[in-house]
Amino acid sequence: DAGVIQSPRHEVTEMGQEVTLRCKPISGHNSLFWYRQTMMRGLELLIYFNNNVPIDDSGMPEDRFSAKMPNASFSTLKIQPSEPRDSAVYFCASSNPRGGQFQETQYFGPGTRLLVL
Amino acid sequence: GEDVEQSLFLSVREGDSSVINCTYTDSSSTYLYWYKQEPGAGLQLLTYIFSNMDMKQDQRLTVLLNKKDKHLSLRIADTQTGDSAIYFCALRGGGYQKVTFGIGTKLQVIP
Repeated sequence: DAGVIQSPRHEVTEMGQEVTLRCKPISGHNSLFWYRQTMMRGLELLIYFNNNVPIDDSGMPEDRFSAKMPNASFSTLKIQPSEPRDSAVYFCASSNPRGGQFQETQYFGPGTRLLVL
Repeated sequence: GEDVEQSLFLSVREGDSSVINCTYTDSSSTYLYWYKQEPGAGLQLLTYIFSNMDMKQDQRLTVLLNKKDKHLSLRIADTQTGDSAIYFCALRGGGYQKVTFGIGTKLQVIP
């Protein structure tokens, strides 16, 4: 299996621009998570989808952030407009809760390193 | 919500044992994980323990759980330079899958 795939791996943009991060979960996994990692705040859960439906978006920082999961194999996280404080590493993870207890383990993608100037 | 605390940094000599500690506040945590993050990479599950266990050993790794003190530790025997990474403690309750991560402990192995 290819694992969780994220693109782009690196993104540098200017303040005010729209940024779209992409994620392809592991085939067969029906839960998808978006996290943000910074030195100051560590790893924060932004949003969690189950069967393509957003279940918990309480971690989304503000209206500038939005996430979609149009089908089981693709999700996007969009920031519009972007700000310098959005600079972080954004991780996507997927899991398969139907597979048994520890198949609920979350498998992480390599992350997208975002720098907003 | 759940609070998970870890020290930020640990330095050990190659061949020594490393012990990474984690404390948490929610006694209803059911699943407890240790993840490893190597530079420039995502998090990778290292090992896990159920809340009804006190100890789990997996090759060089030993996980100890003290439920009374809400303390979880990861011991790495014979630490190697390849063990240099950030180690995250993570906890999940039953039901909803939300996992709470600690801030991570950076392990530096000195040759």
